[in-house]
Formats: sequence, C-alpha cells, structure tokens
Amino acid sequence: EVQLVESGGGLVQPGGSLRLSCVASGFSFSTYWMHWVRQAPGKGPVWVSRINSDGSSVYYADSVKGRFTISRDNAQNTLYLQMNSLRAEDTAVYYCVRLNAYWGQGTLVTVSS
Amino acid sequence: EIVLTQSPATLSLSPGERATLSCGASQSVSSSSLAWYQQKPGLAPRLLINDASSRATGIPDRFSGSGSGTDFTLTISRLEPEDSAVYYCQQYGSSPITFGQGTRLEIK
Repeated sequence: EVQLVESGGGLVQPGGSLRLSCVASGFSFSTYWMHWVRQAPGKGPVWVSRINSDGSSVYYADSVKGRFTISRDNAQNTLYLQMNSLRAEDTAVYYCVRLNAYWGQGTLVTVSS
Repeated sequence: EIVLTQSPATLSLSPGERATLSCGASQSVSSSSLAWYQQKPGLAPRLLINDASSRATGIPDRFSGSGSGTDFTLTISRLEPEDSAVYYCQQYGSSPITFGQGTRLEIK
C-alpha cells in the first residue's frame, strides 16, 4: 500500500521557519518526481514546488521562490520542504504529492503572531 | 501560466441524475495533460481522472472525462449521495502546474 506521511507543520510567527518532511512507502520513491502542493483554508489547491527523481532539478512557484527549498533523501524515502521567511499568506495545509497518483494526508502550517 | 476556469461554481442535483462539470483553459493543455480530483471536507484530494479521460484505479465507471485543447468535461452519471464534494481540475502539461477554483456538487 502506498503511503505518504507528512509531518513538521505547526504554528509559527511571521518571519519564522519550518521544515516539513514526507516519508514515502509502498513504491519506488527514488524513481519518481515529487511535489509539494498547499491549500489555504476554504481555497483550492496550489502547486508549490517539485523535485526530480535524483534531486538534481528543482522548480518553485513564484510566490515561494527564494524562501522555500525542496530536497529529498532517497536512502530514507523522504521528501523535505524547508520554509523560511514565512508570511501569513503561507498559512495552509501542505501536501506531499506523487503527481496524478497519490497525496499524503497533509500537515497544517499556520503563520500568525 | 495556464489559468483554469471551472463552471458552474455550484451544482445542486438529485440522486440518479447526471452531473456535467466544465473546465476551460486559458491556453491549450498539451497532450491532454488534465486531471480531475474529488475532495471531501477534511480530506486530501482524490484522483478521479488523468490524461483527460483515463479513470484512476478503483474509480467507478460512473465517472468519465472528456475533452482536449482548452475545453474539458467531467461527467458523473447516476449521482449517488456520496458524490457530494468539491471537484477540481488540474493541468500538468505546462509549468507551473495549475488548478481550477473548484465546483461544489451538492446532492439534494
């Protein structure tokens, strides 16, 4: 059974940092591109970032470029999202996604003072 | 960036009826790289259709997708109460990946 389990969300003040993790199981993690998608309360999903299978190529939405960093550890079947300089508008549920296949359950990030 | 516009915003139908949900793209979606998702409250989106018309594993044949270029449709025949949800389209043919704003389907 495929599982994507996110962790690391929480309440953080504006300007702060968080690191999200996503542990994958049930499929050959190292062969797939992976994505982060977020969804603000009451809004539709928004794509955030993607990383290719070996981690050599990354891409970001303009809204997070320069603040967020996506990475992966294929030996640990884990995807990461380092989020710095967080803003109120970054408040959302963050999902780890294998595109057009599987989504994790999400982890809530709340940016508020 | 490709903008996806879904219509209608809300749809209210009775069990057994047919639902037709539309997704229009601001420019052509390459290789029919369009997916449809269903989302219920508190849950992650669930993949229904990819490549515009291919049902995902385990999705009943009441759900069907069609279209190409800039116009796509999700059809749900013989509505059931559990089909009540928000439905999103998503294109993955061009970067960045984009989603529509959603159609809320209510079952009376």
